[in-house]
Amino acid sequence: RKEVEQDPGPFNVPEGATVAFNCTYSNSASQSFFWYRQDCRKEPKLLMSVYSSGNEDGRFTAQLNRASQYISLLIRDSKLSDSATYLCAAPYSSASKIIFGSGTRLSIRP
Amino acid sequence: DTGVSQDPRHKITKRGQNVTFRCDPISEHNRLYWYRQTLGQGPEFLTYFQNEAQLEKSRLLSDRFSAERPKGSFSTLEIQRTEQGDSAMYLCASSPQSQLAKNIQYFGAGTRLSVL
Repeated sequence: RKEVEQDPGPFNVPEGATVAFNCTYSNSASQSFFWYRQDCRKEPKLLMSVYSSGNEDGRFTAQLNRASQYISLLIRDSKLSDSATYLCAAPYSSASKIIFGSGTRLSIRP
Repeated sequence: DTGVSQDPRHKITKRGQNVTFRCDPISEHNRLYWYRQTLGQGPEFLTYFQNEAQLEKSRLLSDRFSAERPKGSFSTLEIQRTEQGDSAMYLCASSPQSQLAKNIQYFGAGTRLSVL
């Protein structure tokens, strides 16, 4: 099992829709998790960090399920500008090293 | 610009040549990371430094790869005898001491390497 796994997508949804991605992780001792957004040919940029059960920032909600070892990202009222690849990341054995999933591609259509 | 800076942004080289990339982290960030990313994949961890000490290296990092951070500020990543399989985006990230326990990393724009 990979340390961090994501559904690669692509997810193609209409503007205004709600979309959710899941990400599973293998290290049960992980305490912090991250969602990064990456636009085509650009660097990853931190979208949200999750340290407890969840986090909400405007239209974006991240939730953590420790029992099932997954985190989710929910985007409400999606905008065309939300089209990007969303990367999930979790710490590996050493607290300083984080492992990224392969990313989930999201495309919002008008 | 106070973000992570990487140079060059693009590098085209012939197979067998050596290349060196530079990363300047955000000022006062004591941790610096190198990743490699290929199309359709997430960033793969290569190595990281805390100040000038290289604390961990991935098994992905063959002996043709070497990284340094001599004064605990900027870092260089050198690839010797490049191979076509080395073609990728090389990303640098840094993390501040105050966020140490939270692992928040800030990425540079990357160096895109093409080996012909």
